[in-house]
Amino acid sequence: NAGVTQTPKFQVLKTGQSMTLQCAQDMNHEYMSWYRQDPGMGLRLIHYSVGAGITDQGEVPNGYNVSRSTTEDFPLRLLSAAPSQTSVYFCASIDGVEAFFGQGTRLTVV
Amino acid sequence: GENVEQHPSTLSVQEGDSAVIKCTYSDSASNYFPWYKQELGKGPQLIIDIRSNVGEKKDQRIAVTLNKTAKHFSLHITETQPEDSAVYFCAASIYENYQLIWGAGTKLIIKP
Repeated sequence: NAGVTQTPKFQVLKTGQSMTLQCAQDMNHEYMSWYRQDPGMGLRLIHYSVGAGITDQGEVPNGYNVSRSTTEDFPLRLLSAAPSQTSVYFCASIDGVEAFFGQGTRLTVV
Repeated sequence: GENVEQHPSTLSVQEGDSAVIKCTYSDSASNYFPWYKQELGKGPQLIIDIRSNVGEKKDQRIAVTLNKTAKHFSLHITETQPEDSAVYFCAASIYENYQLIWGAGTKLIIKP
């Protein structure tokens, strides 16, 4: 049972480039979310999904897109990377009570 | 909306001593308060949680207390060990509505 799998673990992008952070879970949870973690700011919610075909914005959605075509997958797309998006990104899958996190993606935008 | 404040941001304690991390929340409707531990290079992991109908919960060396009147809850770690070194996050939500609101985190350092 893999839980929540994120890829890649590390990524360096140039300003203006786009990319997709992948997230997959094998626990059949309906609720999934994306967070970014910055020093001293805790975990900030970017987007979330309550089930396949349903997504919504969190606290800091600008510059990011998501889609949820299956229960298992919840990719996060950076449309045009900016240095302000340098952060560690976590995907989480929630069973209603407990959040299960992936290992994170450390993204640097230069 | 809900706001969660967490203190201190860094806590350094001697091995074997106790550590206490405190959080306050603003929304009186919140009724679920989990604590997560994040080890270096990993995602946060649930270590203990408490619901609003309970004032205290213990699990071996860790305990959580909740004061609903004052809207604050605390994590207590006794007999600290090197493996307790990590970043700890508190959170608050309305149970099973999935929307966890997070504190900023506390870096706990255990000195040998």
